[in-house]
Amino acid sequence: GESVGLHLPTLSVQEGDNSIINCAYSNSASDYFIWYKQESGKGPQFIIDIRSNMDKRQGQRVTVLLNKTVKHLSLQIAATQPGDSAVYFCAESLVQGAQKLVFGQGTRLTINP
Amino acid sequence: GAVVSQHPSWVICKSGTSVKIECRSLDFQATTMFWYRQFPKQSLMLMATSNEGSKATYEQGVEKDKFLINHASLTLSTLTVTSAHPEDSSFYICSAPSRAAGNTIYFGEGSWLTVV
Repeated sequence: GESVGLHLPTLSVQEGDNSIINCAYSNSASDYFIWYKQESGKGPQFIIDIRSNMDKRQGQRVTVLLNKTVKHLSLQIAATQPGDSAVYFCAESLVQGAQKLVFGQGTRLTINP
Repeated sequence: GAVVSQHPSWVICKSGTSVKIECRSLDFQATTMFWYRQFPKQSLMLMATSNEGSKATYEQGVEKDKFLINHASLTLSTLTVTSAHPEDSSFYICSAPSRAAGNTIYFGEGSWLTVV
């Protein structure tokens, strides 16, 4: 069936470097995409979202890129900090808000001092 | 602060008993809420969509008689795990879209269930 997947299950970066987390999705009808951060033992925390009519959106230290041609989504974190250590999930939805989210498998980001 | 609250944060129960988990939207109304289950080191799996005033919609493979969902008000959905067994031990998470926040979907802090 349709699914959202991630290329890398783990990612280790040096503190201060930029991090790029990738995600592939297979449902071309998806209209809405979200990145979540999940720390150990906690619920997912919203980071940034993007609609399918956009290809880039920037937040504070984070940027999400959407390439609909190859059905690829990425999250860029600038100047990675120790507090960024967590598991990051991408999720897709057919319609923003009212529809269910399908989650990818997650990428664990670890920061080296 | 949290916009979606879950209670309890963790619970331990004996096999065969039932456990209720509450999900509340704070400062906004939610006609729809979602319940997920997450096993250690795995992703979130949608269990069901909770609809205010009507029956929940369950995902394939999720037993509706075992995981009872009640969405009696616009700010509260409950998930009851009936006749719990050790394999039901998991992290249960709810979410709700906030119209005031442009339909951004917020998640609760999750509820750890351990069945012994």
